[in-house]
Amino acid sequence: AQSVTQLGSHVSVSEGALVLLRCNYSSSVPPYLFWYVQYPNQGLQLLLKYTSAATLVKGINGFEAEFKKSETSFHLTKPSAHMSDAAEYFCAVSEKGKLIFGQGTELSVKP
Amino acid sequence: EAGVTQFPSHSVIEKGQTVTLRCDPISGHDNLYWYRRVMGKEIKFLLHFVKESKQDESGMPNNRFLAERTGGTYSTLKVQPAELEDSGVYFCASSQLAPREAEQFFGPGTRLTVL
Repeated sequence: AQSVTQLGSHVSVSEGALVLLRCNYSSSVPPYLFWYVQYPNQGLQLLLKYTSAATLVKGINGFEAEFKKSETSFHLTKPSAHMSDAAEYFCAVSEKGKLIFGQGTELSVKP
Repeated sequence: EAGVTQFPSHSVIEKGQTVTLRCDPISGHDNLYWYRRVMGKEIKFLLHFVKESKQDESGMPNNRFLAERTGGTYSTLKVQPAELEDSGVYFCASSQLAPREAEQFFGPGTRLTVL
């Protein structure tokens, strides 16, 4: 069975600072990986996905993630945090069409 | 284009009562998924419909949960009788295709509180 681990349930950064949200996966087959974001009172929205085409994936709102097979990681980054980035972020792996989620990381952005 | 909608947004019921949650997927999406997030835990898969057929219901916790998708359009998830541990946020998602890389579009969720 596949699994996802997100390191850090809460991450706090200053506005303008680098955002780094960590995700490690476990999979016996080449994985399909996703990052979703949930803003308050909204549903989950897809930020980006990895489907083996390119190891560096660019998503919406300036986010990107790099797939590293040797480290079984798919960390999410953004060079400069904005106040509007405050939300909860979920890493997920697809298993036969269903999504297996990590525990989620709450991102706070300080002015 | 309307997104995935869920009703109600919140529900507070007492232990032993029955609750029915509804999900309307994006029009034309044959694949419909239910997920649940219990407080402090990760979002977990419950089941997957392809049109009106249950493709995978391996995540359903027990026989108190019944999901239907009559006519392959909207879906309902009934909990009967509800227990305290059923409290959480229930998400519905839909997708046009069901390969592993297909994006699933999520609704805002229904927050269920069982007292």
